[in-house]
Amino acid sequence: QVQLQESGPGLVKPSQTLSLTCTVSGGSISSGNNYWSWIRQPAGKGLERIGRISISEGTIYNPSLKSRVTISIDMSKNQFSLTLRSVSAADTAVYYCARGKDGYSIFDQWGQGTLVTVSS
Amino acid sequence: DIVMTQSPDSLAVSLGERATINCKSSQSVLYSSDKRNYLNWYQQKAGQPPKLLIYWASTRESGVPDRFSGSGSGTDFTLTISSLQAEDVAVYYCQQYYSNPVTFGQGTRLEIK
Repeated sequence: QVQLQESGPGLVKPSQTLSLTCTVSGGSISSGNNYWSWIRQPAGKGLERIGRISISEGTIYNPSLKSRVTISIDMSKNQFSLTLRSVSAADTAVYYCARGKDGYSIFDQWGQGTLVTVSS
Repeated sequence: DIVMTQSPDSLAVSLGERATINCKSSQSVLYSSDKRNYLNWYQQKAGQPPKLLIYWASTRESGVPDRFSGSGSGTDFTLTISSLQAEDVAVYYCQQYYSNPVTFGQGTRLEIK
């Protein structure tokens, strides 16, 4: 069974760049037709999909974040990454990586999530 | 963006009773070419990531108890728990994947009465 694990700094200063990595284990990130997504959840609030990357279809970003976001994939390390630029307190959230199965945004596997706080 | 609106925001049900959560989309999520509804349901327990329960509006994910079922089409959907168990206490979310951006409902908190 595929497992996902987020890693990265838990604290980022305002106006700086948030960078997170998701390591996929138990299967190859390049096998199947999977979507690899980043989703975030502010404390006590709902879920927001930031974007996703697919080996065959490339990237799609949430238009509300598109100007600040890059998602990339490193098949040699079985990882995909999130970069969010010019962060503010509004970007404070638990960040999840997730797999969308069968070429759809059906999120069947999730990481445990990592809390990122934006504060000086 | 497609807005997903769940009702109620919170719900208290007795053990063994039926729980029903509704989800309404601001536009149809039924794709005409494949006749499928691009709608998922998730369960999120405290301190955990969401867990996929239902996809394509009514297909139960492997390993999900059969007391969970999904129904509906177009813009109106329902998640039903036929006989509430203590471990079902959680927040439930619907999610559409008909168009980008993928969007979620605001969540429904389910508690034991």
